[in-house]
Amino acid sequence: QVQLQESGPGLVRPSETLSLTCTVSGDSISSYYWSWIRQPPGRGPEWIGFIYHSGNTNYNPSLKSRVTLSLDTSKNHFSLKLSSVTATDTALYYCARVGDRMGWAFDIWGQGTMVTVSS
Amino acid sequence: QSVLTQPPSVSAAPGQKVTISCSGSSSNIGSNYVSWYQHLPGTAPKLLIYDNDKRPSGIPDRFSGSKSGTSGTLVITGLQTGDEADYYCGTWDASLRAGVFGGGTKVTVL
Repeated sequence: QVQLQESGPGLVRPSETLSLTCTVSGDSISSYYWSWIRQPPGRGPEWIGFIYHSGNTNYNPSLKSRVTLSLDTSKNHFSLKLSSVTATDTALYYCARVGDRMGWAFDIWGQGTMVTVSS
Repeated sequence: QSVLTQPPSVSAAPGQKVTISCSGSSSNIGSNYVSWYQHLPGTAPKLLIYDNDKRPSGIPDRFSGSKSGTSGTLVITGLQTGDEADYYCGTWDASLRAGVFGGGTKVTVL
């Protein structure tokens, strides 16, 4: 059974960099596309970006200048860095797997981790 | 504001049916597959429907999806108390070059 678990600081200061890691268990990260999605309080989800096991990435243009996704196959995890954060980056952050041959769909999600941007 | 538009809430009695709409445009739903997710607070979202109308293994056939033009629809029949959750639609938007979601619909079982 594939499971994803997000980890990282729950509080980030304004202007600093938010860093989160998603650890994958039950499957190798060396396949599939992997994604980050966030959900601000009271709002719908927002797609942040994809990373493929080759290292190829695709970012939401609205966040592209501040986002970096990376992966570490030796640790079977992938990571998100979001720079120059402001209060509008406060959200529940999820990592998810893009389903194989499922069009644009996320078949496995982590439980999410809340990140608050505040001084 | 979300790119895809969903009703904020729907409700029905146990055993009845609810229909959730997801309205988009030609650049997203009109030209790409729709997926649907169920989310209970504090848990991982669950994929219910992909490719407009396909169910992953383990999803009961009480959940069905469809697409027509620039709108997608999720139907839940035989409503159960365990179906009380938030439901989201999602797809790819070719103009924005980004994945997009709806704002979510809260299903209440009366």
